[in-house]
Amino acid sequence: QVQLQESGPGQVKPSQTLSLTCTVSGASITSTGYYWSWVRRLPGKGLEWIGYISYSGNTYYNPSLKRRLNISLDMSKNQFSLNLSSVTAADTAIYHCAIRLVATYYFSSWGQGTLVTVSS
Amino acid sequence: QSALTQPASVSGSPGQSITISCTGTSSDIGDFNYVSWYQQHPGKAPKLIIYDVTSRPSGVFNRFSGSKSGNTASLTISGLQADDEADYYCSSYAAGSTLWVFGGGTKLTVL
Repeated sequence: QVQLQESGPGQVKPSQTLSLTCTVSGASITSTGYYWSWVRRLPGKGLEWIGYISYSGNTYYNPSLKRRLNISLDMSKNQFSLNLSSVTAADTAIYHCAIRLVATYYFSSWGQGTLVTVSS
Repeated sequence: QSALTQPASVSGSPGQSITISCTGTSSDIGDFNYVSWYQQHPGKAPKLIIYDVTSRPSGVFNRFSGSKSGNTASLTISGLQADDEADYYCSSYAAGSTLWVFGGGTKLTVL
């Protein structure tokens, strides 16, 4: 059973970069067959898909965030990361990392999520 | 505003059945049989309970069932139990560049 755990600062100042890490246990992030994803829960607005990175490093981002977004793999630590630049209060959310298996269209496992507040 | 529309809340008594609707468009729910549902208890990770409209992952009780008609998907929970009280989110694969859309979530209260 693959387990995911998000980590990162709980507060970021406006215009700065939000950086989060997802630590993976029970699987290697370079194993073929996995897409490593980020999803966020916006206050009062439900969930929003952010983007994913494949086991080979290919990325696909939500067009609404693409200009500010970077998702990367850290093979040495078996982690993947999210960097979202130029944040505003609208980026305040609970950020979840999640897994999607190749050739599936759902997120089979999720992390508990971490709250990030954008505030000065 | 979420891409998929769900009722904000539903309620039912133990033993009863409830249905949560999820309305999208012809570019997501109406175009693909890739609707999934997630259950989230407070402070916990979301849990996949339905995928590909009607399929249940191993370990999910058959009290949970999914269906779809046109642009609307539904989650039915039969024989309500206290532990079913949670937030429920629908999701669909979507045409175009956004790929995945979600609903705003429905809070289920077991009376």
